[in-house]
Amino acid sequence: DIQMTQSPSSLSASVGDRVTITCQASQDISNYLNWYQQKPGKAPKLLIYDASNLETGVPSRFSGSGSGTDFTFTISSLQPEDIATYYCQQYDNPLLTFGGGTKVEIK
Amino acid sequence: EVQLVESGGGLVKPGGSLRLSCAASGFTFSSYSMNWVRQAPGKGLEWVSSISSSSSYIYYADSVKGRFTISRDNAKNSLYLQMNSLRAEDTAVYYCARDSSGYLGVVDYWGQGTLVTVSS
Repeated sequence: DIQMTQSPSSLSASVGDRVTITCQASQDISNYLNWYQQKPGKAPKLLIYDASNLETGVPSRFSGSGSGTDFTFTISSLQPEDIATYYCQQYDNPLLTFGGGTKVEIK
Repeated sequence: EVQLVESGGGLVKPGGSLRLSCAASGFTFSSYSMNWVRQAPGKGLEWVSSISSSSSYIYYADSVKGRFTISRDNAKNSLYLQMNSLRAEDTAVYYCARDSSGYLGVVDYWGQGTLVTVSS
């Protein structure tokens, strides 16, 4: 199975700050990488697919980059409504795997 | 509007069985691959199983292989997960989730989840 290592596991930032989360795959997954947002008590929501493509309706302050084994997710200007846990997920292998999650809080 | 509504969760004893159902609406169910994804209390997301649109391809996580069976009934717009030999570590919210059209493994819609608790 492909292991996904996400960091940090949690972070605290101020409104307006740039926030960056990294995700590393245990093997080359090309660009087969998604990012999801999960708010407390809610189902996850797809934000980015194919490493860098923004899902329809998702604000442009969210972005993703990377290929191969190293990927980055960025919130360009953190907003109060962005408080959530973010997960990366690979789909290069049909046995899908998620990263451990990054909990984003407001400082 | 795409809707996925899970049912069938509840309390079951270790070694017991449970069958989850997911009723789909608002899209052509028979054209999409589907998934079950679970989340243990306070933990991260764990993919459980996937099934292709015509049931030709089925995949399981190692943690459930041999104990869980995914199936679907396209005539009834329904997805199922038969869970046998349940263990305490299977306790989780189970989400029914749809793959995006043309992107196997890109999950674009999720249900609200159903809680399965395995405890004596």
